[in-house]
Amino acid sequence: EAGVAQSPRYKIIEKRQSVAFWCNPISGHATLYWYQQILGQGPKLLIQFQNNGVVDDSQLPKDRFSAERLKGVDSTLKIQPAKLEDSAVYLCASSSLLAGGITDTQYFGPGTRLTVL
Amino acid sequence: DQQVKQNSPSLSVQEGRISILNCDYTNSMFDYFLWYKKYPAEGPTFLISISSIKDKNEDGRFTVFLNKSAKHLSLHIVPSQPGDSAVYFCAATRGSNYKLTFGKGTLLTVNP
Repeated sequence: EAGVAQSPRYKIIEKRQSVAFWCNPISGHATLYWYQQILGQGPKLLIQFQNNGVVDDSQLPKDRFSAERLKGVDSTLKIQPAKLEDSAVYLCASSSLLAGGITDTQYFGPGTRLTVL
Repeated sequence: DQQVKQNSPSLSVQEGRISILNCDYTNSMFDYFLWYKKYPAEGPTFLISISSIKDKNEDGRFTVFLNKSAKHLSLHIVPSQPGDSAVYFCAATRGSNYKLTFGKGTLLTVNP
C-alpha cells in the first residue's frame, strides 16, 4: 500500500512570496490533515478535511493560508504572502476515519520543509 | 497553553536497557493517547496508543502506561535497540474530535 505522498520536499522562498504544497493521501482515506511543525515543536493541526469538506480549520491563519481538497482526494496548501515565521515543516496525514467512528491511526507523509528568507 | 507536555527534550540509554519516555497532559477531556516515532527527514509514524478506559497497552517491546489521576502517561521500550533512536511524540485527542494535540517530543538515543 502506497503511503502519503507530498511534494515538494524542500522549498526556499523570499518573504512576501507565495508557495503551494501538494499532498496525495493513502487511497481510500476519507480524512486528510495538514500540520505545521516548527523546529523544536510538535506538529500543530492547521486544517482537517473529511472528503472535500472542512471539519476543523480553527488554527489556520486564514489571512494568508488557504487549503483545498479537490474531489475529496488530493489536497493543496497555499501560503500567500509568506512570512519569516512560516518557516517550518508542513506535514500531511490521512486516515480512514469517518465522523463518529473510533479514533483511527493517522498516517503521515514525509513533509515539506519550507524556509522563508 | 501547552496541553500536552514532554518535559525531557532528550534521553540517552544503553542498548539492551529500558527506555522510559514521559508525557503529561492538562486537558481532562482527553480520552485517547498515542505515541509517534519520527526519524529525520521522515514523517511521524504511529507506534502505540491507549484509551482512557485502560491503564496499560503492550505491543512487543513497547508498553504504554496511563495514570489518569495524575494525567500522566509513559512509554517503556524494553529492551532498547539502536534502531529505536528517534524523536518520540506523545499526542492526545478527545471523543469525537479527532484533532491530535502533540507534545514537543523527546529525542531518544540508544547507544550500542
